[in-house]
Amino acid sequence: DTAVSQTPKYLVTQMGNDKSIKCEQNLGHDTMYWYKQDSKKFLKIMFSYNNKELIINETVPNRFSPKSPDKAHLNLHINSLELGDSAVYFCASSLQKALASEAFFGQGTRLTVV
Amino acid sequence: RKEVEQDPGPFNVPEGATVAFNCTYSNSASQSFFWYRQDCRKEPKLLMSVYSSGNEDGRFTAQLNRASQYISLLIRDSKLSDSATYLCVVNIRGGTGANNLFFGTGTRLTVIP
Repeated sequence: DTAVSQTPKYLVTQMGNDKSIKCEQNLGHDTMYWYKQDSKKFLKIMFSYNNKELIINETVPNRFSPKSPDKAHLNLHINSLELGDSAVYFCASSLQKALASEAFFGQGTRLTVV
Repeated sequence: RKEVEQDPGPFNVPEGATVAFNCTYSNSASQSFFWYRQDCRKEPKLLMSVYSSGNEDGRFTAQLNRASQYISLLIRDSKLSDSATYLCVVNIRGGTGANNLFFGTGTRLTVIP
């Protein structure tokens, strides 16, 4: 069984479109994350979220919004896509209470904006 | 300033060699530390946690120097399968105790036959 799954795996879309990436974890974790990995392979945190706190990286444009229908899901919605949004987006989860908690990652969504 | 700084490499080493990676972190409030491994076009996966006293897992040894805000990873007797990107990671807890993992840019290792 996949611990953290995200869909779609590949997404090609035109500039200006709105798209969503879905993420689900079946590990019982209480914290979920979205990371962006750009062409230089730098993995940058975008959001971390649990039932108490949403932390937004201030460098993330407000066209990006996380939506969490329940603890096991954290979807990423992107409005008005731009060429610079092309990257691999990773969802991850961990346990808040465990300081040394391992973060488990999904397989990534490779977004290409044309 | 980035939370975590690493030499991006690449490091090209022959099989059997010993190789060391270093990273520094900027936030003294960082509370836990890790090395992750990322294979090409794959997701990052935990390699090992880094403890204050240093720790070893087979051919891998991790060390932490809190005073210098410095983390290291040593790989002995390199194998071809060790070829990957190694990511230095620090955890800085948010106001309500939420974990926030910050990744370095990664150091790319290629082990050559």
